[in-house]
Amino acid sequence: DADVTQTPRNRITKTGKRIMLECSQTKGHDRMYWYRQDPGLGLRLIYYSFDVKDINKGEISDGYSVSRQAQAKFSLSLESAIPNQTALYFCATSDQSSYEQYFGPGTRLTVT
Amino acid sequence: EDQVTQSPEALRLQEGESSSLNCSYTVSGLRGLFWYRQDPGKGPEFLFTLYSAGEEKEKERLKATLTKKESFLHITAPKPEDSATYLCAVQAGGSNYKLTFGKGTLLTVNP
Repeated sequence: DADVTQTPRNRITKTGKRIMLECSQTKGHDRMYWYRQDPGLGLRLIYYSFDVKDINKGEISDGYSVSRQAQAKFSLSLESAIPNQTALYFCATSDQSSYEQYFGPGTRLTVT
Repeated sequence: EDQVTQSPEALRLQEGESSSLNCSYTVSGLRGLFWYRQDPGKGPEFLFTLYSAGEEKEKERLKATLTKKESFLHITAPKPEDSATYLCAVQAGGSNYKLTFGKGTLLTVNP
């Protein structure tokens, strides 16, 4: 079984709709991250969390919110989706004792 | 501001034709440099971490090296299954979480 799972894997939604992307991990890591990937722009950090009570904005947090429901679960919400939020979204985890981040399989989100 | 530049953007090789990918970086105190492999439609897969100039890491046909300004990912006798996008990322010394990614090199190995 995969260590980091994301649901859904693909989603098409309309402008203005609320949508939630979910991430679960079995690696036992404390730290979790949400990134988006756009062609030509690389991976950019949206939000990160070092533990259940710690949530921090990344470089592109506008239009997004997150919830850390448990050590193993971290969800990303788009309150009112817009077309320029069409992208690949990745969840990642890391342990506080090392710096490597491990990524989930991604969610392809299309906002029409 | 931390910056990572990868070159070339795309590289096409014949099977068995060795080559190198480059990752140039500027960062205020390097904590670590990371190489990832990403297949189409999948998440980045961790390959290596390098911490200091002169360090080398190897895995199968891949070898990563690090200097004070750049890192190379050497691919020896590549096979078609090595085709992927290779991403480089750096973590600054003042950060314990933030990775700055390059845009990647798309490697295609033809049989």
